[in-house]
Amino acid sequence: LAKTTQPISMDSYEGQEVNITCSHNNIATNDYITWYQQFPSQGPRFIIQGYKTKVTNEVASLFIPADRKSSTLSLPRVSLSDTAVYYCLVGAHLQTGANNLFFGTGTRLTVIP
Amino acid sequence: DVKVTQSSRYLVKRTGEKVFLECVQDMDHENMFWYRQDPGLGLRLIYFSYDVKMKEKGDIPEGYSVSREKKERFSLILESASTNQTSMYLCASSLTDQPQHFGDGTRLSIL
Repeated sequence: LAKTTQPISMDSYEGQEVNITCSHNNIATNDYITWYQQFPSQGPRFIIQGYKTKVTNEVASLFIPADRKSSTLSLPRVSLSDTAVYYCLVGAHLQTGANNLFFGTGTRLTVIP
Repeated sequence: DVKVTQSSRYLVKRTGEKVFLECVQDMDHENMFWYRQDPGLGLRLIYFSYDVKMKEKGDIPEGYSVSREKKERFSLILESASTNQTSMYLCASSLTDQPQHFGDGTRLSIL
């Protein structure tokens, strides 16, 4: 049973804001939400992590509602180089076991000129 | 910058062979992971290690084993390779409660 659900793909024009949502209805109290970006022939790369409310860094924002059953990665003003697969990871602190780590199947974002 | 190095980018082996995939990290991370990545299935955790000689099974450990004799090195072993183990294998490392850092993967083909 998948612990996270994401859209399979999204298209966006350059310069637009893109929002990718991940559903995690069974999120546990200790679970953090982490997003990764993956380009072809490379491993995933960390983008942002949060527990609740809103987190922002230099590349993205992460919005987490009060019930924490979903999260939204927001990429401002995307460019062609943002074309990649984006993964949502929900998992607890590792002291509780590695089998609490669940990657989604990823969202393939295509940025169109 | 953290560097996670996987020994091979591409590997071709035959059914029944014993296969070793090696991963080395240079940032003294206590946690190391092995995933496989298949189209439509995302990343699935095979094994995880939180200390030298310590390991835990992930979602799909069947047909695999691991070895962690030194902190910086985590090996994935396919005891008797089968065609359904053809996949992209990704290694990662992290400090506890911190994001994972990934290698660039080994694309393994079992013929």
